[in-house]
Order: sequence, then structure tokens, then C-alpha cells
Amino acid sequence: AQSVTQLDSHVSVSEGTPVLLRCNYSSSYSPSLFWYVQHPNKGLQLLLKYTSAATLVKGINGFEAEFKKSETSFHLTKPSAHMSDAAEYFCVVSDRIQGAQKLVFGQGTRLTINP
Amino acid sequence: KAGVTQTPRYLIKTRGQQVTLSCSPISGHRSVSWYQQTPGQGLQFLFEYFSETQRNKGNFPGRFSGRQFSNSRSEMNVSTLELGDSALYLCASSFIAGSDNEQFFGPGTRLTVL
Repeated sequence: AQSVTQLDSHVSVSEGTPVLLRCNYSSSYSPSLFWYVQHPNKGLQLLLKYTSAATLVKGINGFEAEFKKSETSFHLTKPSAHMSDAAEYFCVVSDRIQGAQKLVFGQGTRLTINP
Repeated sequence: KAGVTQTPRYLIKTRGQQVTLSCSPISGHRSVSWYQQTPGQGLQFLFEYFSETQRNKGNFPGRFSGRQFSNSRSEMNVSTLELGDSALYLCASSFIAGSDNEQFFGPGTRLTVL
């Protein structure tokens, strides 16, 4: 079974500084990986996804993630944090069971932006 | 195009009761998945439906069930509610079933069991 581990439950950065949210995955085959964001009282929104094309994936709102097979990592980064980035972020791996999709979520990282 | 809608948004029930939650996917989407989100367990997969058939099921007891209608709308039912069923229940839709398809999430139904 596939799994993901988000290494930080809470990350706090100052506005305008870089953001790094760390994620390691475990997969017996080439995985499909996603980052989702959840703002308070809102549903999940897809930031970006990796599906074995380019290893550097660009997403919405200036976020990007790099797939590193040797390190089994898929860290999310953003060069400059904005106050609106404050939210919960989930690293997700897609598990395939008889052709059916099942998303396996990490425990989440709460990102706080300090003014 | 309208997003995924879930009704009701909030529910309060007591132990032993049953509850039905509804999800309307994005127009044209035929796959609907359900997830439970709690502070302790995080986000966990419940089940996935495609063309009115359950394709995949997570590790939840039989009290949790669902179905999908011919118009792709889906319902999930929880019988004999327990305190631990208090959670945010999220529905997600995608155009087709499959491991790489983007899922679009609704705002969720927050269920409180007293």
C-alpha cells in the first residue's frame, strides 16, 4: 500500500520569505502524487500533481514541488509567502486497487504566515 | 460550471440515529468518492462510486454505506451513529475513475453526534 509522511505538523514563516513543506512517500511503483490545500471552512483544492512527466511540477498560486525518486520525497515550495497562503496543506499519493482510485492523505501541515 | 455541492452543510444527531448525506458532482463527472476528516485520524477514504457501482471501499465498518444514482449524484448513509462518527465528510468528483484524475472536492458536511 502507498503512504505519505508529512514531516512537519506546523510550519510558520514570515510574509515574503520562502515556504518549504516536506513530504516523503512510500510506493512500490511509480506513484501519482498531489498537493492539496484546505482553507478554513472550505473544501480541498488541488495545488499541483505529479504523474511521471516532468519531475519539477508547477502549480497554482506560485507553488511548485519536485519529485525526487532517490529520496522518495515530494516537497512543496514557494519563493515568497503571502498572507493568503495560511491554510492546511496535504500531501497525497494515489493508490491503485484493481483500477480504482484511492487517495491516501498525509496528516497535513498547518502553514502560518506572520506579518 | 458549478462545483461539487454537498447537503446539508451541518448536521447534529444523537447516538443510535442514522444519517444520510448527499453529494452532487460537477456536471459531466461520473466518479464520486467520499472521505472522512477528523482531527485524530486525518482524511480517510470511505468509498468510490462510478456508473452506479461501488469500485473501491476503505476500512470502515458496515454501518457506512453509499450509493450512486443514474445522474451521478451520490448519497452516503451512516446507521447506528456513534460519538466517533463526528467528522467532516467530504465528497469529491472526477470525470472518470482512475488513479491520475484530478478530484474536485465539495465543502463538506460537518456531522456532530451527541
